[in-house]
Amino acid sequence: RKEVEQDPGPFNVPEGATVAFNCTYSNSASQSFFWYRQDCRKEPKLLMSVYSSGNEDGRFTAQLNRASQYISLLIRDSKLSDSATYLCAAPGGQFYFGTGTSLTVIP
Amino acid sequence: NAGVTQTPKFQVLKTGQSMTLQCAQDMNHEYMSWYRQDPGMGLRLIHYSVGAGITDQGEVPNGYNVSRSTTEDFPLRLLSAAPSQTSVYFCASSYAGLAGGGDEQFFGPGTRLTVL
Repeated sequence: RKEVEQDPGPFNVPEGATVAFNCTYSNSASQSFFWYRQDCRKEPKLLMSVYSSGNEDGRFTAQLNRASQYISLLIRDSKLSDSATYLCAAPGGQFYFGTGTSLTVIP
Repeated sequence: NAGVTQTPKFQVLKTGQSMTLQCAQDMNHEYMSWYRQDPGMGLRLIHYSVGAGITDQGEVPNGYNVSRSTTEDFPLRLLSAAPSQTSVYFCASSYAGLAGGGDEQFFGPGTRLTVL
């Protein structure tokens, strides 16, 4: 089983829609979790950190469910500029990344 | 701060050639790592270092060597390039080690390597 697993998508949603991504992790000792955004042919950049139950930043909400060992990312009121690949990460001895979820927001 | 820098940005090698991908950070981060990213495979850890003089293998270390003589630099060496090493390589750094905790990783811009 992979340390971190994500649904690769792709997710194609209209502007203004709400979309959610889930990510499961296997190391129950992980204490912090991260969502990264990666644009085509660019490096990943941190979108949000999750250290406890959740975190909210504008249209973005990240939640952590330790019992079920998953983290989620909710994007409200999707914009065209949100089109990207979203990677989740869970440190645990090494820094493990999911394979990424592709999002395309359609006009 | 320049953050994490990588050179070169692009490289084409012939099978069997060797080369070194350079990575440097100016944030005084202890933890540095190398990833390769291939379509549909996500980021796979090649090698990592928790401090100067300490390195360890990640998920896909074969064909690559690393060293960490200073806090700032973490070069990745391809010993004898193979077409299977065609990929995008990212170097990353973070403030502290991991062991269940962890800090945000900062990534360099990447090196796009093609092996013919």
